[in-house]
Amino acid sequence: DGGITQSPKYLFRKEGQNVTLSCEQNLNHDAMYWYRQDPGQGLRLIYYSQIVNDFQKGDIAEGYSVSREKKESFPLTVTSAQKNPTAFYLCASSMGGGLAGGVYNEQFFGPGTRLTVL
Amino acid sequence: GNSVTQMEGPVTLSEEAFLTINCTYTATGYPSLFWYVQYPGEGLQLLLKATKADDKGSNKGFEATYRKETTSFHLEKGSVQVSDSAVYFCALSDGDNQGGKLIFGQGTELSVKP
Repeated sequence: DGGITQSPKYLFRKEGQNVTLSCEQNLNHDAMYWYRQDPGQGLRLIYYSQIVNDFQKGDIAEGYSVSREKKESFPLTVTSAQKNPTAFYLCASSMGGGLAGGVYNEQFFGPGTRLTVL
Repeated sequence: GNSVTQMEGPVTLSEEAFLTINCTYTATGYPSLFWYVQYPGEGLQLLLKATKADDKGSNKGFEATYRKETTSFHLEKGSVQVSDSAVYFCALSDGDNQGGKLIFGQGTELSVKP
């Protein structure tokens, strides 16, 4: 069954700690994305990666870091520099990989991780 | 830059009512347009899409037509059910190579009462 998995579903962090959110896909997609969603708001792009070993900052990258060592995996680390990390985090993937338009832009989403800072 | 504007929610309807959620966009090039749905506590699911002007996307009774002349992609359903209660997001991609990024509207919450 192809899809995107995120873990954990719920995550609690103490102030000053770094935490890493997992995102894995078996869709053979080249591109992967991380979004942040706050209550009553839309999605804001944190980082994205079009291909293995390459990634770009999105609109709100400060306080976050990522890696893309494998095609299937795109972990997000929320660092202590992120001032207000409590949010719902969504990972997505698409065929992407620099190809433009239509089906290549359709993104598939994971179930999300809810991060709460204690 | 490219942007998407959706009507503000929440939208509250009775079961079997007609639904319209407005979505307008600003974009250069020839974007593809999408509607995603998010049920409480879950990720987003693609509801429908249209890749060129005058295309009509449809799924599960929902429809939206890509109108280039009015830069709109309004979501409609003839008869809503309680199970349609969710948040709906309109999104666009640029026709040029933008790394496959999507730009999302702020979402419209729909609540359907029995």
